[in-house]
Amino acid sequence: SQQGEEDPQALSIQEGENATMNCSYKTSINNLQWYRQNSGRGLVHLILIRSNEREKHSGRLRVTLDTSKKSSSLLITASRAADTASYFCAIDNAGNNRKLIWGLGTSLAVNP
Amino acid sequence: DGGITQSPKYLFRKEGQNVTLSCEQNLNHDAMYWYRQDPGQGLRLIYYSQIVNDFQKGDIAEGYSVSREKKESFPLTVTSAQKNPTAFYLCASSSPSGGEETQYFGPGTRLLVL
Repeated sequence: SQQGEEDPQALSIQEGENATMNCSYKTSINNLQWYRQNSGRGLVHLILIRSNEREKHSGRLRVTLDTSKKSSSLLITASRAADTASYFCAIDNAGNNRKLIWGLGTSLAVNP
Repeated sequence: DGGITQSPKYLFRKEGQNVTLSCEQNLNHDAMYWYRQDPGQGLRLIYYSQIVNDFQKGDIAEGYSVSREKKESFPLTVTSAQKNPTAFYLCASSSPSGGEETQYFGPGTRLLVL
């Protein structure tokens, strides 16, 4: 099945730095979502951006969407050790019977 | 507290054995999902159900079965036909509002083969 593609696969930064993760996709979308997964845990929804939106903020998170390039980015500013987790993008293709199409994830390590 | 619960946290399966993973939600969500997660492969959809007494195969349904007799419950059975069942299994639910779909996940069950 079609999947979102994320890069980088892994990212290691120091506390206080910004972290940027990218997601590319192939289909038209209704919205694109970002989720976070701590090791060995379930996923938690972070933010949703609709196809007619270009940028969205939530606390230290900033998401952009470029539908012409079929890509999105997630920026975490002023990172903390507690941000260490895997981050997944998920694509809501409105014609896909309410199934989300998942990326493979970016593993973020924030070093104290 | 509203949420999704999965049990057990760890499950061991012997060769030729069927095992059932539990998923319960009290969010009053219509849709429920089962995913399998292997290292480096993200989430793969096994089965999903949009309403009680109805469910559809996902991308990797072979060797798995589900039922949806109650809105709150969506158990997954890993049958002996699934030859490589070792993975992390995640259950999720959703109730789209305004046409938008976000999923709420349980804590997961890790299945290991003895």
